[in-house]
Amino acid sequence: DADVTQTPRNRITKTGKRIMLECSQTKGHDRMYWYRQDPGLGLRLIYYSFDVKDINKGEISDGYSVSRQAQAKFSLSLESAIPNQTALYFCATSDPGDLQPQHFGDGTRLSIL
Amino acid sequence: RKEVEQDPGPFNVPEGATVAFNCTYSNSASQSFFWYRQDCRKEPKLLMSVYSSGNEDGRFTAQLNRASQYISLLIRDSKLSDSATYLCVVRGTGRRALTFGSGTRLQVQP
Repeated sequence: DADVTQTPRNRITKTGKRIMLECSQTKGHDRMYWYRQDPGLGLRLIYYSFDVKDINKGEISDGYSVSRQAQAKFSLSLESAIPNQTALYFCATSDPGDLQPQHFGDGTRLSIL
Repeated sequence: RKEVEQDPGPFNVPEGATVAFNCTYSNSASQSFFWYRQDCRKEPKLLMSVYSSGNEDGRFTAQLNRASQYISLLIRDSKLSDSATYLCVVRGTGRRALTFGSGTRLQVQP
């Protein structure tokens, strides 16, 4: 089983719909992150959380919200989806410490029509 | 200027070749550096951390040049399985998350 699991893996939906992407992890990491990846732009940070009570905006948080329901779960919501939110979304986790790498889920491919 | 810049490539090399990628970063106070590998439309995976003194892991060697603010990745004896996109990743002082470069695509040909 994957250590970092994202659901759904693929989603196609319409403009204006509310969408939730879920992430769960079995690694026991305190830190969790949501990124989006667009061609030619690399990964960009949307939100991150260092523990259940700590939620922080990343560089592109507008139009998104998150919920850290438990140490192992971190969900990303698009309140009213728009086409330019079409992207590949990744959840990641890490241990504390600057030298700790991040471990990524398999990604969610989201298309907004 | 982007915080982390990479040549997007693609670098097309024959099997057995040696290939090197560079990455520049703009924040001189950056503290941690990594190379990640990403296969097409899959999740990034850590390839190696980059230490100040340079480090090697099998056919892969990473170097850090703080004065010029770049890191490099050298791959020796390229394999077909090395074909992927290589992401340069940097964490700056006080930054609580990582900044990713756009990646350099490597295609190793038989």
